[in-house]
Amino acid sequence: DTEVTQTPKHLVMGMTNKKSLKCEQHMGHRAMYWYKQKAKKPPELMFVYSYEKLSINESVPSRFSPECPNSSLLNLHLHALQPEDSALYLCASSQVRQNNEKLFFGSGTQLSVL
Amino acid sequence: EDKVVQSPLSLVVHEGDTVTLNCSYEVTNFRSLLWYKQEKKAPTFLFMLTSSGIEKKSGRLSSILDKKELFSILNITATQTGDSAVYLCAVYNAGGTSYGKLTFGQGTILTVHP
Repeated sequence: DTEVTQTPKHLVMGMTNKKSLKCEQHMGHRAMYWYKQKAKKPPELMFVYSYEKLSINESVPSRFSPECPNSSLLNLHLHALQPEDSALYLCASSQVRQNNEKLFFGSGTQLSVL
Repeated sequence: EDKVVQSPLSLVVHEGDTVTLNCSYEVTNFRSLLWYKQEKKAPTFLFMLTSSGIEKKSGRLSSILDKKELFSILNITATQTGDSAVYLCAVYNAGGTSYGKLTFGQGTILTVHP
């Protein structure tokens, strides 16, 4: 199984809503990532979890709150988002040490904030 | 700041043509360069290059890295309509701390017409 599964595939939310994005992998990877991708732009790193602990936060606003409940799951909790947060949110996973730069990506959640 | 520049930004060819995509980079603590193909949502892994001058091949796709001149090329021979996608180059900065970072170029949009 070389899949990273993300749900939902599409999400529309208002600025006062609270929602969560979910990501799951069963490749035994102990590093998991959230990337944000705006249209016609490359993916930009948001967060990295290594062994279920937050390793990197790329100065992401606190309205985005990541959570890694176990080694297979990664969540991104969303609250009070702005319209400019509309984007494709990609989850990825990798090994932790050797070849940790080889990321496997999910299909993403296309988020629209109204 | 790490920098990855891809060229051309877009390319339109006909089936059967051969294309060459370019990626140049400036990054401290370089460890590897990766190529991804992004068709609709999920970037899918193509190649990881760490050593200069060694060509990686997979079917009609091949890639090579020049660490002295800080660039890589991705070749696609006998293109097919299914090769239409965004091709992303990414470079891994091994970093001075426990975790490195993957920086993406802006991508090359390849369109293959029948």
